[in-house]
Amino acid sequence: GAVVSQHPSRVICKSGTSVKIECRSLDFQATTMFWYRQFPKQSLMLMATSNEGSKATYEQGVEKDKFLINHASLTLSTLTVTSAHPEDSSFYICSARALAEGKTQYFGPGTRLLVL
Amino acid sequence: AQKVTQAQTEISVVEKEDVTLDCVYETRDTTYYLFWYKQPPSGELVFLIRRNSFDEQNEISGRYSWNFQKSTSSFNFTITASQVVDSAVYFCALSEAWRGANSKLTFGKGITLSVRP
Repeated sequence: GAVVSQHPSRVICKSGTSVKIECRSLDFQATTMFWYRQFPKQSLMLMATSNEGSKATYEQGVEKDKFLINHASLTLSTLTVTSAHPEDSSFYICSARALAEGKTQYFGPGTRLLVL
Repeated sequence: AQKVTQAQTEISVVEKEDVTLDCVYETRDTTYYLFWYKQPPSGELVFLIRRNSFDEQNEISGRYSWNFQKSTSSFNFTITASQVVDSAVYFCALSEAWRGANSKLTFGKGITLSVRP
């Protein structure tokens, strides 16, 4: 149980384009989903927290117009990197948490984004 | 503010050795949760354990064991008879309990464990 998927696993795009990453909880309903960014050999940096049906809460320093988050259902959240630039290249990981699971976050496999 | 310190950055052992990964945390909350996650080279974070602040019992799961000591604010993780498949980055994390649905994980910097055959 507690499986989270992410799609795509890897994406290469041109500078200026937008990229959408999907995060799905496959076998549970996720009341809260989180989006992280991880640079090579570093820890995870929380970007935003999203609760189903409400606006995402962004961490300080994260541009909400740049990183659009939508949590349309209890099993799906999307992160759209708008007008991507090379500095947006990174490993993006989502996690999902069900209320019934207490405080445990289950993570997706991550998406490697490379912006040329 | 809460903080998680994983002082060890890289550990290298030979297969079958035991290895302990240290985790020290800081929080002002009386109720909190501690976690360990494994991140293999593929990148996915695998949940290993959650411990709440009221449960100081040590836990053993196969070759894995965890030692939670509130007196020293530590939550150490031991792998017995390590195997090559244990090679990964291991993260310790802390979550506040009082924020409810908005509670967040504070991660340590991670420990890279390499197990050589």
